Amino acid sequence: RKEVEQDPGPFNVPEGATVAFNCTYSNSASQSFFWYRQDCRKEPKLLMSVYSSGNEDGRFTAQLNRASQYISLLIRDSKLSDSATYLCVVNGGYGGSQGNLIFGKGTKLSVKP
Amino acid sequence: GAVVSQHPSWVICKSGTSVKIECRSLDFQATTMFWYRQFPKQSLMLMATSNEGSKATYEQGVEKDKFLINHASLTLSTLTVTSAHPEDSSFYICSARDENRGTYNSPLHFGNGTRLTVT
Repeated sequence: RKEVEQDPGPFNVPEGATVAFNCTYSNSASQSFFWYRQDCRKEPKLLMSVYSSGNEDGRFTAQLNRASQYISLLIRDSKLSDSATYLCVVNGGYGGSQGNLIFGKGTKLSVKP
Repeated sequence: GAVVSQHPSWVICKSGTSVKIECRSLDFQATTMFWYRQFPKQSLMLMATSNEGSKATYEQGVEKDKFLINHASLTLSTLTVTSAHPEDSSFYICSARDENRGTYNSPLHFGNGTRLTVT
């Protein structure tokens, strides 16, 4: 099983649509979770951290399910500027890998007018 | 917010030459920095962890004699790709976290990346 797994997409949605991405992770010891977005040929940029109780930042809502080891990202009222690849990121858990973050391959979102 | 600066943004070099990439934390100190590599349509893969004042820790399969890392100060880490070959062409990205905000649970901040093309 891959450490962090995401549906690569692409998700093609019209402007204004609501879209959800899921991500599963294999290391039950992981303690911190993030969603990053990466535009084509650019570095990843932090979108939001994911907290146990779930959290919202404007049109973006992140959820964490520790029991099932999955994370979700919901985007409401999609904008053209939301088009990007969304990376699910999980820390390495305990021990030497704790400081490292494990990246999923990303889910590509394309918002059409 | 925390800013990480990476230079150069892109470089084209001939096979057999060496290329140095710099990574600086501009407004915070980082005893640890991470170097990633990303091939087209692939995820970021950690190459090595750079430790200020000590040797870098390399991931399995990454040649430490080929990818030289120096973390000479609390704000600067360098990656040198020695004797570069076309298969080394990739997107190299450094990152660091603001350690004043916590060691392991704060997010990583990335440099803008270096696109290396070896001809």
